[in-house]
Parts: sequence; structure tokens; C-alpha cells
Amino acid sequence: AQSVTQPDIHITVSEGASLELRCNYSYGATPYLFWYVQSPGQGLQLLLKYFSGDTLVQGIKGFEAEFKRSQSSFNLRKPSVHWSDAAEYFCAVGVLGTASKLTFGTGTRLQVTL
Amino acid sequence: EAGVTQSPTHLIKTRGQQATLRCSPISGHTSVYWYQQALGLGLQFLLWYDEGEERNRGNFPPRFSGRQFPNYSSELNVNALELEDSALYLCASSFRGGDADTQYFGPGTRLTVL
Repeated sequence: AQSVTQPDIHITVSEGASLELRCNYSYGATPYLFWYVQSPGQGLQLLLKYFSGDTLVQGIKGFEAEFKRSQSSFNLRKPSVHWSDAAEYFCAVGVLGTASKLTFGTGTRLQVTL
Repeated sequence: EAGVTQSPTHLIKTRGQQATLRCSPISGHTSVYWYQQALGLGLQFLLWYDEGEERNRGNFPPRFSGRQFPNYSSELNVNALELEDSALYLCASSFRGGDADTQYFGPGTRLTVL
């Protein structure tokens, strides 16, 4: 069965600093990968997704992620963080043959200091 | 374009009662998914409905059930509520359903069982 690991439970960065959130997945074939963001008490907003093709994908709000098959990773990056980016970030994987089930990581809570 | 909507926003029930949660997908989307986000347990896949049929089910007891209506909206029913059912229930929709389809989430219904 597929699994997703987000090794960092909580990250604090200063506004304007760069950000990288880690995501590792476990699955033999190429998965479908997603990053979602959740503000307190809210639902999930899709930031970006990877299905195939170019391994560097651009998303909304200035985020990007890079799929690295050799490392089974799909890390999320942003060159300059804004205070409004403070939220919880979830990496998710969808796998062919699992009938649309998404498996989520445990999330990384991002705190931004001014 | 309106996003996924869910009602009610909050729901308070007592143990043993039944809860009904509702979801309206994005216009044109035929698939609806339900997820449970419980404290300490993360996001867990519950159910997937497409074209009125249940297509996939997560590892939840039968007292979690639902249906999808001809207009593609959906209901999640939780019978014989237990304290551990307290969680944020998220609904998502996608265009056609399938492993590579992108799921868009609603704001959630916060269910509290007393």
C-alpha cells in the first residue's frame, strides 16, 4: 500500500525567507502527487499537482514542487514566504488502481515570524 | 464559479444519535469523496461516489454510509454516533472520478459528539 511521510511536523521561518517542506512517498510505480494547504478551521486548497511530464511543477501563490523519482520525494518550495502562508500543508498521493483514494501525509504546520 | 459547499458548518450531537452531512460538488463534477480529519489521526478516506454509485470505501464501519443524488450532491450519514466520531468531515469533488483526477475540497463540517 502507498504511504506518504512528511517528516517535519512544525516549521518556523521568517517572513521573506525561503521555504522547503519535505514529502516522501512509498510506492513502486509513478504516483500522482498533490500539495494542499489548510488554514485553521478551513478546508483544503490545492496548491499544485504532478501527474507526469516536467518534474518541476508550478502552483498557486508562488509555490513550486519538484518530483524526484530516485529519492521518492516531492518537496514543496517557495523562494520568499509571506505571513499569510502560515497554515498546515499536506502532501497527498494517488495511485493508479486505488479508485481515487488519496493518501495524505500527517501534515506540516508552518509558522511565519515577522 | 462556486466551489464545493458543505452544510452544516458545525454539528453537535450526543452519543448514539445520527448525523447527516451534506455536500454539493462543483458544477459539472460527477464524483464526490468524503474524508474524515480527526485529531491525531490525520486525513482518512471514507467514501467515493460517482454517478450515483458507491465506488470505493475506506476502512470505516458500516454505520458510516451515504448516497449521491441525481444532481450529484451527496449525503454522509453516521449512525450510532460515538465520541471518536468527532472530527472535521471534508467533502471533495472531481470532474469524472478516477485515479488521476484532481479532487477539490469544501470547507468541511465540524462534527462534535458529546
